[in-house]
Amino acid sequence: QQQVKQSPQSLIVQKGGISIINCAYENTAFDYFPWYQQFPGKGPALLIAIRPDVSEKKEGRFTISFNKSAKQFSLHIMDSQPGDSATYFCAASFGPLNYGGSQGNLIFGKGTKLSVKP
Amino acid sequence: EAGVAQSPRYKIIEKRQSVAFWCNPISGHATLYWYQQILGQGPKLLIQFQNNGVVDDSQLPKDRFSAERLKGVDSTLKIQPAKLEDSAVYLCASSHQTDTQYFGPGTRLTVL
Repeated sequence: QQQVKQSPQSLIVQKGGISIINCAYENTAFDYFPWYQQFPGKGPALLIAIRPDVSEKKEGRFTISFNKSAKQFSLHIMDSQPGDSATYFCAASFGPLNYGGSQGNLIFGKGTKLSVKP
Repeated sequence: EAGVAQSPRYKIIEKRQSVAFWCNPISGHATLYWYQQILGQGPKLLIQFQNNGVVDDSQLPKDRFSAERLKGVDSTLKIQPAKLEDSAVYLCASSHQTDTQYFGPGTRLTVL
């Protein structure tokens, strides 16, 4: 119930194309769903995040689509660029520490390695 | 604003030796996390501090791993004795009253 399942494991997209990465979760108590981007030798960096009261969030070329009933969410990268080549992780948490207990810690998917070909 | 600092960046040790990692979070961030990232996987939480108190250490292998955060600022994570399966990147992250966690560059540990 604590798992976040991510697919695909790797993705190759042509420059200008759309990259789509999917994640699924089981625990309906999760209420915060971020996507992190990680370049080799670097720590993950927050890309975009969504809460379950919203079905879609867009920031520039990055969009999260959220389907609460299906317990799925996805990242869409429009007009993909070679500089987007990185590993992307979806994650979920129970929210900030004011809920008490261990809330706030992130449960990550296994990652998707994206390669954007020029 | 300076990011999360970690040292060393790389460490190679023999199995059964001990090793320590250091993390300095972003100034003012009350919450500090240590994650273990095994090659090809997502980070997994080891321990979470709120100021200098432990919030969650349920996934910390306490027979060999220990962590402390003295004075609620920087933190050290220690492994003693190390096993081959401890080879991973150890990431430190911090946050303050928001969901956003800021990660450091990590320490890559190789246990031979």
